[in-house]
Amino acid sequence: DQQVKQNSPSLSVQEGRISILNCDYTNSMFDYFLWYKKYPAEGPTFLISISSIKDKNEDGRFTVFLNKSAKHLSLHIVPSQPGDSAVYFCAASSRGTASKLTFGTGTRLQVTL
Amino acid sequence: NAGVTQTPKFQVLKTGQSMTLQCAQDMNHEYMSWYRQDPGMGLRLIHYSVGAGITDQGEVPNGYNVSRSTTEDFPLRLLSAAPSQTSVYFCASSPGGPTRAYGYTFGSGTRLTVV
Repeated sequence: DQQVKQNSPSLSVQEGRISILNCDYTNSMFDYFLWYKKYPAEGPTFLISISSIKDKNEDGRFTVFLNKSAKHLSLHIVPSQPGDSAVYFCAASSRGTASKLTFGTGTRLQVTL
Repeated sequence: NAGVTQTPKFQVLKTGQSMTLQCAQDMNHEYMSWYRQDPGMGLRLIHYSVGAGITDQGEVPNGYNVSRSTTEDFPLRLLSAAPSQTSVYFCASSPGGPTRAYGYTFGSGTRLTVV
């Protein structure tokens, strides 16, 4: 049972445009959501997070939106840059099991020139 | 500051062999975890620890053992390697608690092939 889903395996965006990566979850106990970025042959690196008490969190070019009623979150990257080309993982945790992250399957973003 | 260090980076094992993947962190983090990454499956939690002497199973614990005798180290043992354990393994650590907004810091991974 996949509790965190990223239904788009890949996404291609032109440099300078907006990249929107989507994530859906099924477990209503999740109360913290995180995005990780992963380059080949490296470990994932933390990008941005959002608590369930918020609906938006912004950090430079990266913004995460949370729609609790739809159990949906999205990561917006504006403007997209070639260095953003990577696999992006959505992850979630709940207060009762804060030490455990549940990951989605990832979306490969390619930013083209 | 080294962060999370995993050794070895690559390993080939024969079916039935045992080995230990090493993980060490120098950030005094309480939480540590082991994940495996397989194509199309994302990262799946194998075992995790919320402090020295405390470990618990994750989503895919079968065939693996862990122990946490110190805050710094969290080794993962493969008891009898099987081809299904061919994967990339990531160790991660986090300060946990109220700082969980910052997530986990991951090591660079161990690529394991079981033949």
